[in-house]
Amino acid sequence: SQQGEEDPQALSIQEGENATMNCSYKTSINNLQWYRQNSGRGLVHLILIRSNEREKHSGRLRVTLDTSKKSSSLLITASRAADTASYFCATNRGSYIPTFGRGTSLIVHP
Amino acid sequence: NAGVTQTPKFQVLKTGQSMTLQCAQDMNHNSMYWYRQDPGMGLRLIYYSASEGTTDKGEVPNGYNVSRLNKREFSLRLESAAPSQTSVYFCASYQDRASEAFFGQGTRLTVV
Repeated sequence: SQQGEEDPQALSIQEGENATMNCSYKTSINNLQWYRQNSGRGLVHLILIRSNEREKHSGRLRVTLDTSKKSSSLLITASRAADTASYFCATNRGSYIPTFGRGTSLIVHP
Repeated sequence: NAGVTQTPKFQVLKTGQSMTLQCAQDMNHNSMYWYRQDPGMGLRLIYYSASEGTTDKGEVPNGYNVSRLNKREFSLRLESAAPSQTSVYFCASYQDRASEAFFGQGTRLTVV
């Protein structure tokens, strides 16, 4: 079963715009991670946010976590064509194995 | 540092044939996982090994077997391939369950 679910499933924007995608989950977590997958490649880790953190930044990425709503958002600012990829969230629940959502497919048009 | 290396990258099998997908990591990680990725289904866990010498079933283990050969290597075997096993297979390693995953580049398997 999928613990994390991304929304929207697909997102299409113009270069320079911001992209926001969300992840919702069902049970309490220790941390939540975001990954990027370029077409035909493996997933690459982007950022990890712990359950006691509310916001984290890494370059043009901003991740928020709202444990009361059991949701997280990934914001990519000033998007570039190279940001075109699928983005996945993964939740970690202590002794349970990490589980991935189905992903958001982002297309950034030049 | 190569990270996680999977072989082969592509494979076509006939129904009923067997094959082994190889995975090796050079980061001294304890945990290794095998996932399959199908369109619209995200990543589904097939088997995992939390540490050397242990293996456990994931969400979709039927039709597969695994071997944790040593700390570096974790192989996935299809004993009798079926068209439903056509997928992209990813190996990943973790230092522990709370840490980030490092993924291989994937094996694209087609069963005809």
